[in-house]
Amino acid sequence: QKEVEQNSGPLSVPEGAIASLNCTYSDRGSQSFFWYRQYSGKSPELIMSIYSNGDKEDGRFTAQLNKASQYVSLLIRDSQPSDSATYLCAVRPMDSSYKLIFGSGTRLLVRP
Amino acid sequence: DVKVTQSSRYLVKRTGEKVFLECVQDMDHENMFWYRQDPGLGLRLIYFSYDVKMKEKGDIPEGYSVSREKKERFSLILESASTNQTSMYLCASSLRFMGGYEQYFGPGTRLTVT
Repeated sequence: QKEVEQNSGPLSVPEGAIASLNCTYSDRGSQSFFWYRQYSGKSPELIMSIYSNGDKEDGRFTAQLNKASQYVSLLIRDSQPSDSATYLCAVRPMDSSYKLIFGSGTRLLVRP
Repeated sequence: DVKVTQSSRYLVKRTGEKVFLECVQDMDHENMFWYRQDPGLGLRLIYFSYDVKMKEKGDIPEGYSVSREKKERFSLILESASTNQTSMYLCASSLRFMGGYEQYFGPGTRLTVT
């Protein structure tokens, strides 16, 4: 059973701080990795994708991938109250051309 | 921008009714997916389709069927709705070829079965 694990949280950080969200996955051959943001009552919105080891930056967001250790993380710099949401990690396993496996999400709370 | 739309945001149906949920995407994506999302259980894949008239079961297909007659449209059918099918239903689409496999979600349909 391929799995994607996330701490459910809530992760509480003060406004302006760096929020660090982590995700581990079980399928060593996984190829593609994604972070989605989901506000309460809304659908998931893709915010980052990463395919190779290292860091990928997009504005205040940085995704980090370490395939040897089988983890992917999302850093949010200068956190804002509007960043308060649940963040879902998704992984494409090696044997799939279509499907993603989603973690259950980490709830982030940014305190003003 | 990718746009995925779903026929209803909120739906209330009675036990035993046949329910149709429709999803339309405008980006010429080959793959389309239906998920349900429940508190504590995360996103669970019901069915997906990689081409017109092609479908594959996901993790929880029981009680559901799907139809894909046109590339842009993917329908989820609850043959006889039951209260345990009360949930948020999410449609998504992605490219099959030359893509990064990102899935883009519609706004969701919150279905209540009474």
